Amino acid sequence: DQQVKQNSPSLSVQEGRISILNCDYTNSMFDYFLWYKKYPAEGPTFLISISSIKDKNEDGRFTVFLNKSAKHLSLHIVPSQPGDSAVYFCAASAMPQGAQKLVFGQGTRLTINP
Amino acid sequence: EADIYQTPRYLVIGTGKKITLECSQTMGHDKMYWYQQDPGMELHLIHYSYGVNSTEKGDLSSESTVSRIRTEHFPLTLESARPSHTSQYLCASSPPSHLQTQYFGPGTRLLVL
Repeated sequence: DQQVKQNSPSLSVQEGRISILNCDYTNSMFDYFLWYKKYPAEGPTFLISISSIKDKNEDGRFTVFLNKSAKHLSLHIVPSQPGDSAVYFCAASAMPQGAQKLVFGQGTRLTINP
Repeated sequence: EADIYQTPRYLVIGTGKKITLECSQTMGHDKMYWYQQDPGMELHLIHYSYGVNSTEKGDLSSESTVSRIRTEHFPLTLESARPSHTSQYLCASSPPSHLQTQYFGPGTRLLVL
């Protein structure tokens, strides 16, 4: 069973507009959520995270929103830039399982069009 | 930002060969991880380590083995490579001050013929 789901395999957005990437989870024990960005042939790069005690976290152009009742989180990128074109993974973990094991979604490929 | 290195970046090898994928980090992180990722799919945790002489299997069953003799080094070994092992292998580590933020290496893309 897939505990973290990114239902949109791809998303295309015009440069300068807002990109919204979505992620749903099923495990109510998850209490920490992260977004990673991945370019081809490279490892994932950490972008932003949010704890379950918050519903929003902002870092520059990136904002993550968490809706615990809906078990849903989203990443907003505004304004979108061509360099944002990559695959974005959401991940979740449940502490204190101790192992800090992250469960990843399948990823959404974001393409920013000039 | 963590400095974490993986070698080789790409490896093409024949069936039955023994291979070791190297992972090193220079940040003194206690916790290290190995993930496997197939194209278009999620990352799956296959091994992790809390520290020296500590190794555990992850959520995805893997025929690979790992060792952690030094803090900075976490190699992964396949005793007899098979085509089903073809995948991308990603190493990560996490610092104690950011408990759940894992920092990834560039990955090793393995092709077994």
